[in-house]
Order: sequence, then structure tokens, then C-alpha cells
Amino acid sequence: NAGVTQTPKFQVLKTGQSMTLQCAQDMNHEYMSWYRQDPGMGLRLIHYSVGAGITDQGEVPNGYNVSRSTTEDFPLRLLSAAPSQTSVYFCASRGTGNTYEQYFGPGTRLTVT
Amino acid sequence: AQSVTQLDSHVSVSEGTPVLLRCNYSSSYSPSLFWYVQHPNKGLQLLLKYTSAATLVKGINGFEAEFKKSETSFHLTKPSAHMSDAAEYFCVVSEGSARQLTFGSGTQLTVLP
Repeated sequence: NAGVTQTPKFQVLKTGQSMTLQCAQDMNHEYMSWYRQDPGMGLRLIHYSVGAGITDQGEVPNGYNVSRSTTEDFPLRLLSAAPSQTSVYFCASRGTGNTYEQYFGPGTRLTVT
Repeated sequence: AQSVTQLDSHVSVSEGTPVLLRCNYSSSYSPSLFWYVQHPNKGLQLLLKYTSAATLVKGINGFEAEFKKSETSFHLTKPSAHMSDAAEYFCVVSEGSARQLTFGSGTQLTVLP
């Protein structure tokens, strides 16, 4: 199993540009999430999905869109990039067992200039 | 609503001495609690987890944590620090039907030779 994969690893955008961060998992997990990591703030939840076709907002959803058309994929879209969205983005997934352990991807480092 | 407070943003120890990273949590329900570690420019790795079984939880690399409900604490310890333990550590709480994670702000552990 590849686990949770994210592309790209690094990205530089100009203010106002849009882009999609890709996330895929091959563990047949129902739950998938997107987090952003900023210094001194831990990871904050952007959006999450409890299954294909179902998404919901997390703590910091503004400026981001998600969709979940398949179990495997959970892309994160930046509609109009802003410097405040400079961050490291992590995708995570977990199954429906009782351990509630989430598996994280390697991250995407995004810089908006 | 759930929350996590990591009481120290930085901890320095000498190699071979004990490590204590402190974490307090707030949760309305019976939470699941985790410690994750992040080495520089890497993703997050699960160290250990508490999910209402034994209150003393053993993890990887000699780390352990004790769940104390009366003190709402979940401190991470290791008897003897190794240089490779230098990293950032996150205490995480999970509750609710979607079991989303709430992260503490992180503790940077430095191990001195």
C-alpha cells in the first residue's frame, strides 16, 4: 500500500491564482481530512469528508473548496490564493474501526507571493 | 468542544536524561488521545494512542503516556532521551461522531549532547 499520497510536494503561487492540491489513499478509508500547519499553531482542520459525496467544514474553511467523488481521492482547491494561505498542507485518512488513528500524507508546502 | 493545551512550547534535555512533555485536554465526552511526532521537514508519525483501554500507554521508541482523567492530562515521558528524539511533538484529542482531531500547538524537543 502507498498509504496517503499528496501532490505536489512544493508549490509557489502568485496572489489571485487558483490551484488544486491532490490527495489520494489506497486503504479504502471512509474518512479523509485536510489540515494546514502554521508555526506555533499545530494543525488546523480545513475540511473533512465522512464518505464519497459528503463533505463538511472544519475550523478554517474560508478560501478553500473540497469535493469527494470517490473514496480514494479528496482534492483541496484554492479559489484565489492569498499570502495568508502560505502554509504546509496535510491530508489524512482513517478507517471506521475503533482506534481512530489517522494516517497522514507527506505534506505540500505552499508559498503564495 | 474539545481542546488541547501543550504547556511548554520548547523543552531542552541532555542526552540520557528523562523527557517530560506536558499535555492537558478538555473534552465533553470520553476522548481518544494521541501523541504524534514530526521530524524536520517530515510528515507526522503516530507515537502512541489512548482509546479507553489501559491508562498507561506504551508507544514506539520507548515513549509512554499516562491518561489521568481527574487531572485531564496526558503527559508524554521517556526515561532516557536520545539525539534522534529531537523533533516537534503534538498532543491530539479526538471525539465526536466524525472523530476529527484537535491538535495542540506543539512542543519542540531539543536534545543536547
